Amino acid sequence: AQKITQTQPGMFVQEKEAVTLDCTYDTSDQSYGLFWYKQPSSGEMIFLIYQGSYDEQNATEGRYSLNFQKARKSANLVISASQLGDSAMYFCAMREGQNTGGFKTIFGAGTRLFVKA
Amino acid sequence: GAVVSQHPSRVICKSGTSVKIECRSLDFQATTMFWYRQFPKQSLMLMATSNEGSKATYEQGVEKDKFLINHASLTLSTLTVTSAHPEDSSFYICSAVLLPGYTFGSGTRLTVV
Repeated sequence: AQKITQTQPGMFVQEKEAVTLDCTYDTSDQSYGLFWYKQPSSGEMIFLIYQGSYDEQNATEGRYSLNFQKARKSANLVISASQLGDSAMYFCAMREGQNTGGFKTIFGAGTRLFVKA
Repeated sequence: GAVVSQHPSRVICKSGTSVKIECRSLDFQATTMFWYRQFPKQSLMLMATSNEGSKATYEQGVEKDKFLINHASLTLSTLTVTSAHPEDSSFYICSAVLLPGYTFGSGTRLTVV
């Protein structure tokens, strides 16, 4: 079963408009972390934002905000005032504990965002 | 800020040879590093978790004898693809914990011919 689901393989947004990238997750853990990463064509992974499962407030980092709806198990990324440089692949990820005592992070399939001038 | 340096960025090798990819943490100690593989236009798939001074933990389906991981120091983890075949061609990327998230290397594009 998919643990992280990103249903939008591709999204278009007009420059300066806001866009929401969807992410739903599945876990039975009470403690987990949710992340969003940006991957430009160069391949590097850029950390954008983090939300802990116990955080009551939605995380915000500049133009990025995470719309965390715990009951619905969704962690959508909202990018406000899109810029041309925002065109990239965006991955939602979840960190959860393992039976061995460690933890691991799994990634969704990604959403490719295209910002139009 | 904290950086993970990954080398080489690109490598082409012949079938049957081995390739070593290095991942170094700069300015911080990384007791745990993660190795991912990414096929074109696909997501990152966790291959293994590398722990300093102990054996790596491999994900199900990953051949530990083929993908050798060594984490001999707090700043260096290496992934060796042994007896490489064309199907091993992929983008390999390492990451280290940097709370609250992770910091990633710049990736290695491996092409086996």
